[in-house]
Formats: sequence, C-alpha cells, structure tokens
Amino acid sequence: AQSVTQPDIHITVSEGASLELRCNYSYGATPYLFWYVQSPGQGLQLLLKYFSGDTLVQGIKGFEAEFKRSQSSFNLRKPSVHWSDAAEYFCAVGRQAGTALIFGKGTTLSVSS
Amino acid sequence: GAVVSQHPSRVICKSGTSVKIECRSLDFQATTMFWYRQFPKQSLMLMATSNEGSKATYEQGVEKDKFLINHASLTLSTLTVTSAHPEDSSFYICSAREGGGGSYNEQFFGPGTRLTVL
Repeated sequence: AQSVTQPDIHITVSEGASLELRCNYSYGATPYLFWYVQSPGQGLQLLLKYFSGDTLVQGIKGFEAEFKRSQSSFNLRKPSVHWSDAAEYFCAVGRQAGTALIFGKGTTLSVSS
Repeated sequence: GAVVSQHPSRVICKSGTSVKIECRSLDFQATTMFWYRQFPKQSLMLMATSNEGSKATYEQGVEKDKFLINHASLTLSTLTVTSAHPEDSSFYICSAREGGGGSYNEQFFGPGTRLTVL
C-alpha cells in the first residue's frame, strides 16, 4: 500500500538558518508528490509539487524540494527561515492520476529568534 | 489560482443533531471533490470521493450513512454529519479537482470547517 513518512514530528530552527524537512514515500510507480503548509486553524496551501522532469522543484515562499527516486524521498528545503514560516508542513503523494492524496503525519516547524 | 470555499468555517452543535457543510469551487467546475478529516495534531485522512452526479465512494471505515455526501452540481458538494456525537468533532477539509481523464489535475483545498459537537 502507498504511504508517506515524515520522520520528524517537530523541528525548531533559528530564524535565518537553513531548513530541511524529510519525506519518504512508498509507491510502486513514479508518484505525484506535494508539499503543503498549514497554519493553525487554516486550510492547506500548496508549496510545490513534482509530477515529472527536473527533480529539483522550486516553490513559493523560497521553498524547494528534490525528488530522489533511489531514496524514495522528496525533502523540502529553504536556505533561510523566517519567523512566518512557523507552521505545520505536510508531504503528500497522489496514488494515480486524479485521485485523492495520501498525507504524511506532518512536521511542526517552530522558528526561534 | 482556483478558489475553493467552505461554509461554515466553524460550527458548534448539540449531540444528536445533524450538520451540513458546503464545499464550493468558485471559479472552476469540479468534476471530483474529496472530503478529508483531520483530528488535532494529526494528518488528513481521506473520508470519501465524490464525482458530480454519482454516488460518493467512501474509504474503508467511514460510515456512509453517518457522513452523507452529495455532489449535485459541478460547483457544490455537501457533507452532512447525521446524528453527530462528540467523537465526530474534527476539522473537515474538502478539495476540488477540475476535469478528468489521464492527466493529473491539481486539487485545490478549501479552508476547512471546524466542527465541535457538545
């Protein structure tokens, strides 16, 4: 069965420091991969997505992610974190074209000053 | 980008009553809508998939008689929680997808509805 694993439940990063959030997936074929951000009590905002092509994907708010097939990973990175980046981050995989998403359990990002 | 709205954003009801949540695609026609449920500090879990004009497909373990889904038009899907109980308290999020066929069309998520059952 398809699954998404986010190993880190909670991460604290100093403002201005770099960030990497890990995501591993289990899927038989090339997956459709997504990263979403959720602020408290809010819906989901798409940060970036990977369907095919260049394995390094650029997203909004200065985020990027790299698809590594050999490691079944799709880690999210940001070179310099801002206090406003504090939120819950979800990695998700699309099972097939047009079907629902399977989400990881999420990683809570805290930003310290 | 495409906009999906949900109404209400927050609802409090008494145990035993029914609550209806609306999900609307504002600027596109959504052939498929998905309903997710999110418990506090947890991930989103798919409840059901609805296609316009068809019966919804429920995920295993989701009671279809309790969570009634109607997708009567290309811009509106409703989730009705019947005879709600405190354990139904959760954050319900819908998403809508335009089009169909072989290409993967992105889902757009609504802002969610916080349901509290007393």
